[in-house]
Amino acid sequence: DGGITQSPKYLFRKEGQNVTLSCEQNLNHDAMYWYRQDPGQGLRLIYYSQIVNDFQKGDIAEGYSVSREKKESFPLTVTSAQKNPTAFYLCASSGDRVVGEQFFGPGTRLTVL
Amino acid sequence: KNQVEQSPQSLIILEGKNCTLQCNYTVSPFSNLRWYKQDTGRGPVSLTIMTFSENTKSNGRYTATLDADTKQSSLHITASQLSDSASYICVVRRGDYKLSFGAGTTVTVRA
Repeated sequence: DGGITQSPKYLFRKEGQNVTLSCEQNLNHDAMYWYRQDPGQGLRLIYYSQIVNDFQKGDIAEGYSVSREKKESFPLTVTSAQKNPTAFYLCASSGDRVVGEQFFGPGTRLTVL
Repeated sequence: KNQVEQSPQSLIILEGKNCTLQCNYTVSPFSNLRWYKQDTGRGPVSLTIMTFSENTKSNGRYTATLDADTKQSSLHITASQLSDSASYICVVRRGDYKLSFGAGTTVTVRA
């Protein structure tokens, strides 16, 4: 888990609600990422940010939003527009764009009731 | 179609035995390949990283191999322990720095 924290560990949401997942890192990394993990599938990139106040859509950004107001923080909001939000969400950060090792947080499991 | 395919999907081995996991990829251009270990309900942790010129890399009882010509990699676990029970994920980095993730192989070690 290194210096990346995610909260909460478990999150339950009613249909139609927006929820925000927290991700904080103290590794002084410029780049941060959000992934979604579903059973039997590889991690899929939702959003990423390579620098403060800038972020880019990943492969499955629809129904999600992010902000990057501080270097240490990269919160992810799962909106009601996300049709199938139940999944395990992983946040990662990287300090080296070339070598690219990403350090992952412990994850948040989101369940829609 | 996923550009990184792992096999088997899952396997069960007895404690103390060896096992080998496979990763085939079609990602191009290739930058590096990394194996991660992910315990249940936790984030992945890096085990090894290999670039194009490296054929093998070890980390304790974990040994990864890479054949860049055939685009195949393997992860060998020697003398398995109960703590090796986890999902092992193969991740290939492209030349444009994007990552492609395999679906993982779930290893269960039984006493």
